[in-house]
Amino acid sequence: DTEVTQTPKHLVMGMTNKKSLKCEQHMGHRAMYWYKQKAKKPPELMFVYSYEKLSINESVPSRFSPECPNSSLLNLHLHALQPEDSALYLCASSQGLAGGPYNEQFFGPGTRLTVL
Amino acid sequence: GNSVTQMEGPVTLSEEAFLTINCTYTATGYPSLFWYVQYPGEGLQLLLKATKADDKGSNKGFEATYRKETTSFHLEKGSVQVSDSAVYFCVTGTASKLTFGTGTRLQVTL
Repeated sequence: DTEVTQTPKHLVMGMTNKKSLKCEQHMGHRAMYWYKQKAKKPPELMFVYSYEKLSINESVPSRFSPECPNSSLLNLHLHALQPEDSALYLCASSQGLAGGPYNEQFFGPGTRLTVL
Repeated sequence: GNSVTQMEGPVTLSEEAFLTINCTYTATGYPSLFWYVQYPGEGLQLLLKATKADDKGSNKGFEATYRKETTSFHLEKGSVQVSDSAVYFCVTGTASKLTFGTGTRLQVTL
């Protein structure tokens, strides 16, 4: 199984809502990532988890709260978002931290988020 | 930190034409190099990779060679198909991060 799955595929939420994005992989990867991608732009790294511990937070606003309940699951909790947070949110995983010869990242299909 | 420069798009080609997408990078140390592809409405897929100088990555008819002397990793394909229409990202990987180029949109027409 070389797949990263993400749910939901689409999400529309108001600025006062609380919602969560979910990501799952069963490749035994120990690093997992959240990215944000705006239209016609490359992905921007948000968070990195390594061995279920948060290792990188790219100065992301606190209205985004990541969680890694176990080595296969990664969540992104959303609260009080702004319309400019509308984007494609991508999850990825790798065997270890990116950059090593065998540490390419596998991406999920993404959750398209619209904030009204 | 690392940076990646890739040619501006969109690139429009007829089916069976030759494709080159230029990519140059700056990096400390010895990064791994990747090409990722993003089809419309989808996530990113790893297309090919190279981990050291002079390595050639190849997949689905696409090739790229890690050129340390020119810090380049140009993507080539001898004969493109309509199904190759997508956005292509040149990416370096060091330490715990990937650094993406801006992406090049390829449109292949019949």
